[in-house]
Amino acid sequence: EAQVTQNPRYLITVTGKKLTVTCSQNMNHEYMSWYRQDPGLGLRQIYYSMNVEVTDKGDVPEGYKVSRKEKRNFPLILESPSPNQTSLYFCASSRTGNYGYTFGSGTRLTVV
Amino acid sequence: ELKVEQNPLFLSMQEGKNYTIYCNYSTTSDRLYWYRQDPGKSLESLFVLLSNGAVKQEGRLMASLDTKARLSTLHITAAVHDLSATYFCAVDLALWAYFGNEKLTFGTGTRLTIIP
Repeated sequence: EAQVTQNPRYLITVTGKKLTVTCSQNMNHEYMSWYRQDPGLGLRQIYYSMNVEVTDKGDVPEGYKVSRKEKRNFPLILESPSPNQTSLYFCASSRTGNYGYTFGSGTRLTVV
Repeated sequence: ELKVEQNPLFLSMQEGKNYTIYCNYSTTSDRLYWYRQDPGKSLESLFVLLSNGAVKQEGRLMASLDTKARLSTLHITAAVHDLSATYFCAVDLALWAYFGNEKLTFGTGTRLTIIP
């Protein structure tokens, strides 16, 4: 089944403790992206990747890092999480030409 | 900067009624997307509208795109309870204006509640 897999689904952590949210897709998509969803703000892009080893900032990149060492994986790294990063995070992928995203199931992160 | 506005933000309607959700965007774009999100769930693709005048229908939902007016509509016909969800429209910048990042800019969503 074609899908984008995110882990974990839920995560509660403490301020400053490094964490990684994994994202993997099995559709051989070139393009991958991370979004965060907050009430009243919709979805905002954090980082994106056009292909292996090609990444760039989206609209709200502060406090996040990404890497794209393999085509299928695009992890999101929070080196020192803070409470304002409490949010619902989505990974998405698409094939080049932007025919719409396939979204992962989401990761609800709480930083206390 | 591309801005995408949806209205209404909240919509409560009775089963069997018709209604329309509007999506306006601020910059030239040829492609518009509609997604559905159930509470606590991911986003599900409903429609991809790729050109001016495009109209797509799936069941009780019909989406259209007017690129000249920078407007898309999602029309609900004879609503049923199962359509209760939050609906998002999303737009990408025309490729010539923003080559590389195939970013979608989302509206803030319309929370639709269908009352039996």
